[in-house]
Amino acid sequence: EVQLVESGGGLVQPGRSLRLSCVASGFTFDDYAMYWVRQAPGKGLEWVSGISWNSGNIGYADSVKGRFTISRDNAKNSLYLQMNSLRAEDTALYYCAKDIRSSSSKHGFFDSWGQGTLVTVSS
Amino acid sequence: QSVLTQPPSASGTPGQRVTISCSGSSSNIGSNPVNWYQQLPGTAPKLLIYSNNQRPSGVPDRFSGSKSGTSASLAISGLQSEDEADYYCAAWHDRLNGWVFGGGTKLTVL
Repeated sequence: EVQLVESGGGLVQPGRSLRLSCVASGFTFDDYAMYWVRQAPGKGLEWVSGISWNSGNIGYADSVKGRFTISRDNAKNSLYLQMNSLRAEDTALYYCAKDIRSSSSKHGFFDSWGQGTLVTVSS
Repeated sequence: QSVLTQPPSASGTPGQRVTISCSGSSSNIGSNPVNWYQQLPGTAPKLLIYSNNQRPSGVPDRFSGSKSGTSASLAISGLQSEDEADYYCAAWHDRLNGWVFGGGTKLTVL
């Protein structure tokens, strides 16, 4: 059974940093692209970032480009999101999601999701 | 403002058929497959439909998807109370080189 478990969320002041982690199990982690998707309180889903199986292909939403960095450690079955210069509008539940393909492509989709970790940016 | 446009709400009575629309552009739906996700209250999203009209194992055949041009639709027949959830469409956006979602449709079973 595929399991994705996020951690690292919390309350942080504007301008500070936070690092999210997602530990995967139940599948061969280094075969698949992985993503971060967020959901602000009471709002819809927003794709944040994605990374291919070998970290060779990385993408970001315009809203986080230059501030967030996605990475993965295949030896540890782990996905990360380094979030710098946090803003109030980054407040959201951050989900880790798995693709069915090794790299992002129009034919992919998110076939498994974690339960999310809540990030609150406030002074 | 989401890149893909969905109605904010939809409703139906048990047994009815409801449809939820998703409108995009030539850069996303017009050139790429559409996926649908179901988010039950208080839970993580779950894949419902992929590649326009394919159902993952375990998804009832009451759920179906279609696409035409720059629009897509999700249909739910034989509506049940447990179908009450938020539904999101998603597609790859060629110009943005990333995934875009609809704003979500809250389905209420009356």
